[in-house]
Amino acid sequence: GQNIDQPTEMTATEGAIVQINCTYQTSGFNGLFWYQQHAGEAPTFLSYNVLDGLEEKGRFSSFLSRSKGYSYLLLKELQMKDSASYLCAVASIKAAGNKLTFGGGTRVLVKP
Amino acid sequence: NAGVTQTPKFRILKIGQSMTLQCAQDMNHNYMYWYRQDPGMGLKLIYYSVGAGITDKGEVPNGYNVSRSTTEDFPLRLELAAPSQTSVYFCASSYTHGEKLFFGSGTQLSVL
Repeated sequence: GQNIDQPTEMTATEGAIVQINCTYQTSGFNGLFWYQQHAGEAPTFLSYNVLDGLEEKGRFSSFLSRSKGYSYLLLKELQMKDSASYLCAVASIKAAGNKLTFGGGTRVLVKP
Repeated sequence: NAGVTQTPKFRILKIGQSMTLQCAQDMNHNYMYWYRQDPGMGLKLIYYSVGAGITDKGEVPNGYNVSRSTTEDFPLRLELAAPSQTSVYFCASSYTHGEKLFFGSGTQLSVL
């Protein structure tokens, strides 16, 4: 089976930086996704890592270490609109249909 | 380009009633999924399909059925609704396995 852990909630100030950690245990690792989900809305894709290292996309970056089973999502220059839940999801080739397993999500609250 | 269209947005069912949640995508994606999301929790996979005529169970299939007669449509059927099926349901699609998911806008279902 797969196990994904991420913090339940984080609070940060507008303009600051927040790092959301995700640890996972899986066999047949085939990539890690981050999704953003605003309250009452559907998740939307943020980033994908399959190799070790940092992927940067504007204010958002995602890091992966496969040997440690660890990823983080870094949000820089926080804006009020970044208040949302951030879902870590792991793909495994050993999971039927290479399906994703989602963590419980980290709710980020950005305060003025 | 509509993406993934999901209906209805809201529904209240009485215990024992049945209903079908509709999902359609116009991106010619092979893979389609149904997830449920309980409050404060991550997404749990109910059923998925890798192409027309092919469906398979996910993590939480009990109480649900699906069909995939065309590439575009992937309806989810609830038979004999139970309070435990109160949740938000998301349909999603991807071109192939391991690629990012595109989500529908969700259906909030209450079984009373």
